[in-house]
Amino acid sequence: SQTIHQWPATLVQPVGSPLSLECTVEGTSNPNLYWYRQAAGRGLQLLFYSVGIGQISSEVPQNLSASRPQDRQFILSSKKLLLSDSGFYLCAWSVAGTANYGYTFGSGTRLTVV
Amino acid sequence: AQSVTQLGSHVSVSEGALVLLRCNYSSSVPPYLFWYVQYPNQGLQLLLKYTSAATLVKGINGFEAEFKKSETSFHLTKPSAHMSDAAEYFCAVRAPGGGNKLTFGTGTQLKVEL
Repeated sequence: SQTIHQWPATLVQPVGSPLSLECTVEGTSNPNLYWYRQAAGRGLQLLFYSVGIGQISSEVPQNLSASRPQDRQFILSSKKLLLSDSGFYLCAWSVAGTANYGYTFGSGTRLTVV
Repeated sequence: AQSVTQLGSHVSVSEGALVLLRCNYSSSVPPYLFWYVQYPNQGLQLLLKYTSAATLVKGINGFEAEFKKSETSFHLTKPSAHMSDAAEYFCAVRAPGGGNKLTFGTGTQLKVEL
């Protein structure tokens, strides 16, 4: 069966420090991968999605970047964190090419920038 | 482009009462529709989905939703609320052949009172 792993679960980082959040999927090949952010009271905001290795689409201009160095690995990064980067970050995957599948989400990372 | 609107950011019901969470969609083609549940500090879990088969869809935890094309609605219901149903619920839409992205509503926080 397919599983998605996301870590760390919680992170407290100072302003100006770098960030690296990792997400990996097991049990499937060539998944579509997504990074979402939830800020308090603001719903789900799609940050990045990827349909293949090295293929990243950015939904909103911001202080973050994403990379997909391997088929089932998706990394969210920042060189210098801002206070506004605080939030709950969720990774998700879906089956490529089939719109009737939903997403499967990871358990999330709570990031607090201080 | 497709979108969903969730009416009511907060809904409160008594334990044992009917749960009704509203979702209206906008799509130029018959869409695929999803309901997700999120418990505090966790990822989103798929409750149920409509993929153009039966219009009444049954999901996990006793929830169901009915696709009504004439009303462009996909409301989530449960006959009898339980304390464990307290969570945030998200409606989402995906257009067949419309790319790889789910579009989420802004969420409804369900509170269950004794």
